[in-house]
Amino acid sequence: DGGITQSPKYLFRKEGQNVTLSCEQNLNHDAMYWYRQDPGQGLRLIYYSQIVNDFQKGDIAEGYSVSREKKESFPLTVTSAQKNPTAFYLCASSILGNQETQYFGPGTRLLVL
Amino acid sequence: SQQGEEDPQALSIQEGENATMNCSYKTSINNLQWYRQNSGRGLVHLILIRSNEREKHSGRLRVTLDTSKKSSSLLITASRAADTASYFCATLARGADGLTFGKGTHLIIQP
Repeated sequence: DGGITQSPKYLFRKEGQNVTLSCEQNLNHDAMYWYRQDPGQGLRLIYYSQIVNDFQKGDIAEGYSVSREKKESFPLTVTSAQKNPTAFYLCASSILGNQETQYFGPGTRLLVL
Repeated sequence: SQQGEEDPQALSIQEGENATMNCSYKTSINNLQWYRQNSGRGLVHLILIRSNEREKHSGRLRVTLDTSKKSSSLLITASRAADTASYFCATLARGADGLTFGKGTHLIIQP
């Protein structure tokens, strides 16, 4: 899983709650990404950031928010506006300009109670 | 949108046999990659093939790319039980900022 850590491994959310998933990397990578994976599906890009204090929406950004205050950290908040949040969330990072080779964290599984 | 589509969705073979998975994509790409995911874990990058390459090897892995057919194949030779995992192709389309993944092939190696 490289130098990327995600916490927690499992997260439970009640209806209407916001939850924040942590992603930290010590690879000195400029670019970081959040993906969502549903059972039997590939990954879909939620948000990505190429530099501190800047981030861009991916294919399925609605109901999610991110921040990039530090190079090492790219937390993802799943808001109450996300109506179907139960999924496996994967964080990745890459060297800027080399987004073709991404290093993934171990993932966080989010379950709605 | 899902650009890469792997085929088959699931594959079960005996240990020692070769496993072949295919991936098709829709738009022009700079490169195509294959990733492996063990159950409930993150993805691990296996191999990258650029659009001007036709074949690439890495250990027991062999990847081919046919840009005219917009398809790629991943061959794992002499399979082992530890190869059991899901395998995804991912493409970087020209001008894109992020990878697009397929739905994956779930490979089961029977001991």
